[in-house]
Amino acid sequence: AQSVTQPDIHITVSEGASLELRCNYSYGATPYLFWYVQSPGQGLQLLLKYFSGDTLVQGIKGFEAEFKRSQSSFNLRKPSVHWSDAAEYFCAVRYNNDMRFGAGTRLTVKP
Amino acid sequence: DARVTQTPRHKVTEMGQEVTMRCQPILGHNTVFWYRQTMMQGLELLAYFRNRAPLDDSGMPKDRFSAEMPDATLATLKIQPSEPRDSAVYFCASGHSPETQYFGPGTRLLVL
Repeated sequence: AQSVTQPDIHITVSEGASLELRCNYSYGATPYLFWYVQSPGQGLQLLLKYFSGDTLVQGIKGFEAEFKRSQSSFNLRKPSVHWSDAAEYFCAVRYNNDMRFGAGTRLTVKP
Repeated sequence: DARVTQTPRHKVTEMGQEVTMRCQPILGHNTVFWYRQTMMQGLELLAYFRNRAPLDDSGMPKDRFSAEMPDATLATLKIQPSEPRDSAVYFCASGHSPETQYFGPGTRLLVL
């Protein structure tokens, strides 16, 4: 079955530390891949997306993600987390007309 | 700064009542999506329009939900009759293509 998995429900990191949020997908072919961020009470904001080409994708707010076909993964990274990065992060995949979101990872940033 | 707007932002209603949620997509965007977000199910795609025509509404319960785009500046999602299990946050998103979606702030619905 087609699915998107974010294994970590909640992650806590210290401000200034590096961050990696995991995302795995299960599709028959490589879908379009996305990362969104949602602040409390807000809609989702697109951080970055991968369609094809360079497997390392740069996004807004200093985020990047790497597509690894062999692992069916699209992990989100940031070298130094800021307190304002505290939010919920969603991985999403799109294949044909099917758009699916992962369950989300809540990021807490410690001072 | 163009944004997707949704009204109302909050709605409390009683079971059995009709609920209408409205969305104004960003001017010029020809794709509109409706999503539902709950703690249990996460984000689910309900319906998808392109150039005002419904392309996919397979995620929407047909017996009580309906989605329309009366014109290019308005998308509506109706629930009739509403049930407590419909309580959720409903998001509208628009874009030039399905691959780039801009989300509205959502309508938080509580059905008592």
